[in-house]
Amino acid sequence: QVQLQESGPGLVKPSQTLSLTCTVSGGSISSGDYYWSWIRQPPGKGLEWIGYIYYSGSTYYNPSLKSRVTISVDTSKNQFSLKLSSVTAADTAVYYCARVRNDYGDLVIDYWGQGNLVTVSS
Amino acid sequence: SSELTQDPAVSVALGQTVRITCQGDSLRSYYASWYQQKPGQAPVLVIYGKNNRPSGIPDRFSGSSSGNTASLTITGAQAEDEADYYCNSRDSSGNHLTVFGGGTKLTVL
Repeated sequence: QVQLQESGPGLVKPSQTLSLTCTVSGGSISSGDYYWSWIRQPPGKGLEWIGYIYYSGSTYYNPSLKSRVTISVDTSKNQFSLKLSSVTAADTAVYYCARVRNDYGDLVIDYWGQGNLVTVSS
Repeated sequence: SSELTQDPAVSVALGQTVRITCQGDSLRSYYASWYQQKPGQAPVLVIYGKNNRPSGIPDRFSGSSSGNTASLTITGAQAEDEADYYCNSRDSSGNHLTVFGGGTKLTVL
């Protein structure tokens, strides 16, 4: 059973960089069958896809966040990470990491982490 | 990028059938996936592809698609089905992008 666990600070100051790490257990992040994704959800609002990474390092980002987002992977630790720069209060959200598989051309999010609430405040 | 549109709220009487819909141009090319989210919990995949259920999802959940509209149907809704439901599909641009619908709050009366 694959499990994903987010870790990182719960409070970030405005204009700083938000950094989160997702540790994957029960499966190898180097498996070529999956992409590894970050998704966020502001309090009381819907889900927003941030981006994802393939084990090789190829990345795909939401165009609305692309200028501020970096997703990286560390296959030796079975982890992938998110950095979001120049944060504002609008970036306050629960951040989820997730596994995505390519299902005959459709991208299906089959496993999610429990989520990490990040609040942007001074 | 494309957008997916969902009704904000839907209600159903206990034991009855309810359909939750999702509209968008990308659905002409790709199937929607559907996720159930209960308060304070992470989303859970309930339907993907043409009409596939992950292991452990009750068979009262089913999916369908026609034109630019995808539907999630719950046949014989239970109290525990009360939740937010989100659709998701690959972006129609052909790039490796994905988009979520705004979500539908399902109330079981």
